[in-house]
Amino acid sequence: DAGVIQSPRHEVTEMGQEVTLRCKPISGHDYLFWYRQTMMRGLELLIYFNNNVPIDDSGMPEDRFSAKMPNASFSTLKIQPSEPRDSAVYFCASSSPLGQGVDIQYFGAGTRLSVL
Amino acid sequence: DAKTTQPTSMDCAEGRAANLPCNHSTISGNEYVYWYRQIHSQGPQYIIHGLKNNETNEMASLIITEDRKSSTLILPHATLRDTAVYYCIVRGGKTSYDKVIFGPGTSLSVIP
Repeated sequence: DAGVIQSPRHEVTEMGQEVTLRCKPISGHDYLFWYRQTMMRGLELLIYFNNNVPIDDSGMPEDRFSAKMPNASFSTLKIQPSEPRDSAVYFCASSSPLGQGVDIQYFGAGTRLSVL
Repeated sequence: DAKTTQPTSMDCAEGRAANLPCNHSTISGNEYVYWYRQIHSQGPQYIIHGLKNNETNEMASLIITEDRKSSTLILPHATLRDTAVYYCIVRGGKTSYDKVIFGPGTSLSVIP
């Protein structure tokens, strides 16, 4: 398997523009996670899905952020409008429970977002 | 709330064993200890996990104390490519699919 695939790898945009980050999870995984990483706050969980359904979005910073998972092989994280403080590396991860409460997450390479 | 505490940084000589400690004094009986690492500019990578017994795989060994309040990740022969931030995470049980809390981790520098 190619692993979790994220696109684009780098995104530079101007304040106020809409940004869409994309993620293809590992085939067969039924959990998908979106994280944000900054120097100040470290790695934060934004939202996660189970079987394409959002389970917990309490980490989403504000209404400008939205995430969708229209099918098992694709998810998007959208920021509209974007602001300079949204500049960060955004990671997508997927997992499939192994039983007995064990769950290993596999991360993509991330999207580095710069909002000017 | 952070469930684990780790040293901020550590150094290790190349070829020597790197021993990374983690305290998880509030761990509950059904929670696992997981270790991930993040090499610069890459996504976090799973290393190993354990419940009670010591575990070993091709990447590392995990030693969990008998009272399960602390653990140590051992990289037996550290190389320069092992320079990374190492995260110790506790989760499991019926909240197995609860949020994964990544703390600041330990920044390991392997020195030639």
